[in-house]
Amino acid sequence: AQKVTQAQTEISVVEKEDVTLDCVYETRDTTYYLFWYKQPPSGELVFLIRRNSFDEQNEISGRYSWNFQKSTSSFNFTITASQVVDSAVYFCALSEAYNTDKLIFGTGTRLQVFP
Amino acid sequence: NAGVTQTPKFQVLKTGQSMTLQCAQDMNHNSMYWYRQDPGMGLRLIYYSASEGTTDKGEVPNGYNVSRLNKREFSLRLESAAPSQTSVYFCASSELPTGSGNTIYFGEGSWLTVV
Repeated sequence: AQKVTQAQTEISVVEKEDVTLDCVYETRDTTYYLFWYKQPPSGELVFLIRRNSFDEQNEISGRYSWNFQKSTSSFNFTITASQVVDSAVYFCALSEAYNTDKLIFGTGTRLQVFP
Repeated sequence: NAGVTQTPKFQVLKTGQSMTLQCAQDMNHNSMYWYRQDPGMGLRLIYYSASEGTTDKGEVPNGYNVSRLNKREFSLRLESAAPSQTSVYFCASSELPTGSGNTIYFGEGSWLTVV
């Protein structure tokens, strides 16, 4: 069965610390896609990244980086030198090629960055 | 850049009342979705419409109906609201179904309270 687990419910860090948000997924499909979304206190959901199952290259975008490891079914998200504006709930999500209309979300990790 | 627009943003209903959440997207997307977000449970799919003229049940469809009015609009109706339907509702759209790797873009959410 398909499932996304974000075991960290809440993380608190002080500004400028690095922080990693964990995401572990389960799927029987060989073709699938992984996503990260950010939900700031204002409530909207902001798309951050999409990764397909055939591309295990890590990706870096400014202070954000993502580590995709099929061997451990993980797609972790690291924020380097965190800032107060990074405070949000972050969701990891999975979609599968055979289950074409469903995006499965994890329960989210609330990140609080203190000045 | 309107993207996905949903109304109303906030609503308080009495148990047994009915209401319709409206959603429109201006990205010429084929697929549209309604999700609900509850504390500690991430986002769960209520209904989706893979293309104009089709609708299908998601994970938690009971108590809801939907209408894909045209390619742009996808409404969610609560016929007889119950306190268990107190939640944040998100409308979303994607160019093609998520199984093809398309990114889903979300509206800003509608906060619904049933008393």
